[in-house]
Amino acid sequence: SQTIHQWPATLVQPVGSPLSLECTVEGTSNPNLYWYRQAAGRGLQLLFYSVGIGQISSEVPQNLSASRPQDRQFILSSKKLLLSDSGFYLCAWSVGGGDQPQHFGDGTRLSIL
Amino acid sequence: DAKTTQPNSMESNEEEPVHLPCNHSTISGTDYIHWYRQLPSQGPEYVIHGLTSNVNNRMASLAIAEDRKSSTLILHRATLRDAAVYYCSDQTGANNLFFGTGTRLTVIP
Repeated sequence: SQTIHQWPATLVQPVGSPLSLECTVEGTSNPNLYWYRQAAGRGLQLLFYSVGIGQISSEVPQNLSASRPQDRQFILSSKKLLLSDSGFYLCAWSVGGGDQPQHFGDGTRLSIL
Repeated sequence: DAKTTQPNSMESNEEEPVHLPCNHSTISGTDYIHWYRQLPSQGPEYVIHGLTSNVNNRMASLAIAEDRKSSTLILHRATLRDAAVYYCSDQTGANNLFFGTGTRLTVIP
């Protein structure tokens, strides 16, 4: 069966520090991968998606970047965190197109101080 | 971007059916309609999806209007474990979901 792992579960970082969140998927090949952010009391906002190694599409301009160095690994990064980067970050995977569901990880709660 | 609208909150008594509505004002002919739910501090969980026809699975039923501008998620017998925020979404392009703020469902014992 397929599983998705995100870490860390929680993270507290000072403003201006770098960030690296990692997501890995097991049990499937060539998945579509996604990073979402959920601000407190808000819906989910799609940040990045990837349909293959090295292929990254950004949905919104921001202080963050994403990379996919391996087929089932998706990394969310920042060189210098802002207060506005606080939130709940979720990774998800899917196979195929719009007729397939997305499967989410348990998320990383990021607090910027 | 695709846009969906949902009521902010709904309540249901335990073991009664619940109908959660969603308006899909910008949906196109090839967009699938998806529903997810989210418990506090967890990632969203897939519930059901469909294109034009009504759909049933072990979790819920999905009723899609003929013009596809609205859909309804039906929980046939609400349980306390169904208390969550429910999101509807159009799914476009490379499988992209667009979530709104969802409907917070409260189940009253």
